[in-house]
Amino acid sequence: GENVEQHPSTLSVQEGDSAVIKCTYSDSASNYFPWYKQELGKRPQLIIDIRSNVGEKKDQRIAVTLNKTAKHFSLHITETQPEDSAVYFCAAPLIQGAQKLVFGQGTRLTINP
Amino acid sequence: KAGVTQTPRYLIKTRGQQVTLSCSPISGHRSVSWYQQTPGQGLQFLFEYFSETQRNKGNFPGRFSGRQFSNSRSEMNVSTLELGDSALYLCASSGTGLANTGELFFGEGSRLTVL
Repeated sequence: GENVEQHPSTLSVQEGDSAVIKCTYSDSASNYFPWYKQELGKRPQLIIDIRSNVGEKKDQRIAVTLNKTAKHFSLHITETQPEDSAVYFCAAPLIQGAQKLVFGQGTRLTINP
Repeated sequence: KAGVTQTPRYLIKTRGQQVTLSCSPISGHRSVSWYQQTPGQGLQFLFEYFSETQRNKGNFPGRFSGRQFSNSRSEMNVSTLELGDSALYLCASSGTGLANTGELFFGEGSRLTVL
């Protein structure tokens, strides 16, 4: 089965600066890597995902990069805003081809005004 | 389209009791999975159901069980509750076949406190 490691566990950045969260995975056959955002007291929601056939994907201020050789992927948030404050989780499929996900431990991101 | 609905939202139990949590997936979604969220362990996979069959199971003791009904609604049960079972239990549904994008749609969760 898959194992996902995420770091840092907490991250504090100044508003307007960039934030980077990194994850590593163990199963080289994994081919789908989503990122979920969970605001305080709310449900986790998908913000971006990447499949193994591409190395990078962007959506406005958010981007995800994937390095299959090194088995790691990263979330990049640029021009951070107060509403970016949340816990972010990376994930990978529980088993090859499965929809079910193994999540990283989460990163609590705080944006300081 | 209504989202994933979980009931109850909050509940308090004492050690040794049992609890049943309910989840109604998004209409048309046939896959339902359950996760336990705790501050120290993050989101941990419990099990997944599809067409009333358990397809995958996480590393939890047999006290944790679940089922799915023909209308795709799912329940999970925890028997002989322990203090360490205090957590937010999240249900997620996902599409299947052509509707499967890989995205999990989570409910608001059921927060269980065991005293």
